[in-house]
Amino acid sequence: DVKVTQSSRYLVKRTGEKVFLECVQDMDHENMFWYRQDPGLGLRLIYFSYDVKMKEKGDIPEGYSVSREKKERFSLILESASTNQTSTYLCASSPLGYRDGNQPQHFGDGTRLSIL
Amino acid sequence: DQQVKQNSPSLSVQEGRISILNCDYTNSMFDYFLWYKKYPAEGPTFLISISSIKDKNEDGRFTVFLNKSAKHLSLHIVPSQPGDSAVYFCAASASGNQFYFGTGTSLTVIP
Repeated sequence: DVKVTQSSRYLVKRTGEKVFLECVQDMDHENMFWYRQDPGLGLRLIYFSYDVKMKEKGDIPEGYSVSREKKERFSLILESASTNQTSTYLCASSPLGYRDGNQPQHFGDGTRLSIL
Repeated sequence: DQQVKQNSPSLSVQEGRISILNCDYTNSMFDYFLWYKKYPAEGPTFLISISSIKDKNEDGRFTVFLNKSAKHLSLHIVPSQPGDSAVYFCAASASGNQFYFGTGTSLTVIP
């Protein structure tokens, strides 16, 4: 079974702090994603990556950056945390080019981040 | 602008009856559609998918219908069970790499 592991389930940080959220997948997937989930807004894509050292902006990249130094690891960085970044953050991975019958995105259990 | 929409934030159904969850999309380039189920404090798990060359896909109690002309898909759960109570997200993709998610529908199955 694909395993996507997020380093923290719950995290509390202060405004202005630099925050690192880590994600590791064990299925050699090319694609990795960071989403945030907010009530009434669903899952919104922050950044994704097709390969090591490659990254693409999603729908809401402002205030975030990412790092992918190794294929299995994708980090989300909040450069200077703000209260409006309080949310649940979900990491996902998938093989390159989903097609019918292939495995779709697999998600981690999420990190509930509170910025005080 | 939201490319995938789920207009019903919540739905309640009696156990044993049919649950119908709806999803609309705007991008005619989407060619794969997926449904995910999410329990509280867990990540979404894949439920069922359909490609644009089909109009129906069935997996046990779950059936997804696709109406391309209306840009509409629906998930039918028959019969509904209390364990089906969760938030359901539909998602769509054009490239097979980036996925666009709806806002979710919270399903409650009443015993």
